[in-house]
Amino acid sequence: DADVTQTPRNRITKTGKRIMLECSQTKGHDRMYWYRQDPGLGLRLIYYSFDVKDINKGEISDGYSVSRQAQAKFSLSLESAIPNQTALYFCATSEGGGGFTDTQYFGPGTRLTVL
Amino acid sequence: TQLLEQSPQFLSIQEGENLTVYCNSSSVFSSLQWYRQEPGEGPVLLVTVVTGGEVKKLKRLTFQFGDARKDSSLHITAAQPGDTGLYLCAGGMEYGNKLVFGAGTILRVKS
Repeated sequence: DADVTQTPRNRITKTGKRIMLECSQTKGHDRMYWYRQDPGLGLRLIYYSFDVKDINKGEISDGYSVSRQAQAKFSLSLESAIPNQTALYFCATSEGGGGFTDTQYFGPGTRLTVL
Repeated sequence: TQLLEQSPQFLSIQEGENLTVYCNSSSVFSSLQWYRQEPGEGPVLLVTVVTGGEVKKLKRLTFQFGDARKDSSLHITAAQPGDTGLYLCAGGMEYGNKLVFGAGTILRVKS
């Protein structure tokens, strides 16, 4: 079984709809991250959480919110989806304690299309 | 503007050729990681370098961190079709808790 799982894997929705992307991990890591990937732009950080009570904005948090329900679960919401949020979304985890030499473990991604 | 510039953006070569991918910045990083991503999957870490001038080898892959910790390179010797994928570099910021990713290099190795 995969250590980091994301649901759904693919989603097509309409402008204005609320969407939730879910991430679960079995690695026992404290740190979790949400990224989006766009062609030619690489991965950009949306939100990150270093433990259940810690939530931090990344470089592109506008239009997104997150919830850290438990150590193993970190969900990303789009309150009112818009077409330029069409992208590939990745959840990642890391153990922490090693600064930014930590390995980040990525889920398989969610392909979101907003019409 | 990307904080980390990767070049080339796309590379298509024949099996057995050598290649180098570059990752450059004007900023100093505390660490530099290289990931490989295959279609339909998330990135997977290949290596982390943390010391200026450091060189690490992973079978046919050689990774180097620049002396000033602003740039890195990935060299593949005798490329194979299995090396095909998107290669991403990611820099650990000296101030702030995050990784900054480059846009990636798409490598295609033809048999």
